[in-house]
Amino acid sequence: DTAVSQTPKYLVTQMGNDKSIKCEQNLGHDTMYWYKQDSKKFLKIMFSYNNKELIINETVPNRFSPKSPDKAHLNLHINSLELGDSAVYFCASSQDAEGYEQYFGPGTRLTVT
Amino acid sequence: GEDVEQSLFLSVREGDSSVINCTYTDSSSTYLYWYKQEPGAGLQLLTYIFSNMDMKQDQRLTVLLNKKDKHLSLRIADTQTGDSAIYFCAPRGDTGRRALTFGSGTRLQVQP
Repeated sequence: DTAVSQTPKYLVTQMGNDKSIKCEQNLGHDTMYWYKQDSKKFLKIMFSYNNKELIINETVPNRFSPKSPDKAHLNLHINSLELGDSAVYFCASSQDAEGYEQYFGPGTRLTVT
Repeated sequence: GEDVEQSLFLSVREGDSSVINCTYTDSSSTYLYWYKQEPGAGLQLLTYIFSNMDMKQDQRLTVLLNKKDKHLSLRIADTQTGDSAIYFCAPRGDTGRRALTFGSGTRLQVQP
C-alpha cells in the first residue's frame, strides 16, 4: 500500500564502509529523486532520474552513485562513507520530469561513526 | 536553505490560528508547495498554489501568495495538537532543473 518506500529505515555504519539505500514507488511515476536532509533540517536535491535516465545531478561527491534498474526503483550507493554523510536521505517520485507534486518516502537515517 | 527562508519556530495554543511565513528568491517559481513533516516521518504534501493565484483555501488550510514580494504564507485555522510538525515551503522553479527548493522548515508547536 505504501506509495514510496525505502529500506532500510535506519543504517548505522563505520567510516570507510560502502552502503546502499533502496527506494521503490508503486505510483507508476516516471521520475524519482534523492534528497538529503541534514541535522538542521535543510533538504537538498541530490539526484533525479526520469525513466531510468539521470536528469538532475547536483554537486554531490562522486562517492554517491544512484542506480535506477527500472523506473519504479532508484537506489543510492555510497562508497567510503564519511562522518559528514550522516543525514536523513529521502526518496521521492513525481508523475514526470516536470516535478509537480512530489511524493516522499519515509526517509533513511544514516549514521556514520 | 538561503533561497527560501522561513522562521524556525512557532508556538500557538490549540484552537488558535497558525500562520507560517516563507520568502523565496526565484521569481520563476510557478508552483509553490507546502509540506508537513511529523517527527521521524517523511514529508507529506499538504497543498500548493499556482503563481497566478493570490489565495487558495483547502479546508483548514489557507495559502496566500504575494508574488511581487515573493512571500508565501500558510494559515492553519483551529490548530490542533496533531498539527504539531515541521512545515516546509518549497517553490518549484520553472527554469533549469525541475526540482523543489526547500526552506529550513518551521517547527510548529501546538500547546493544549
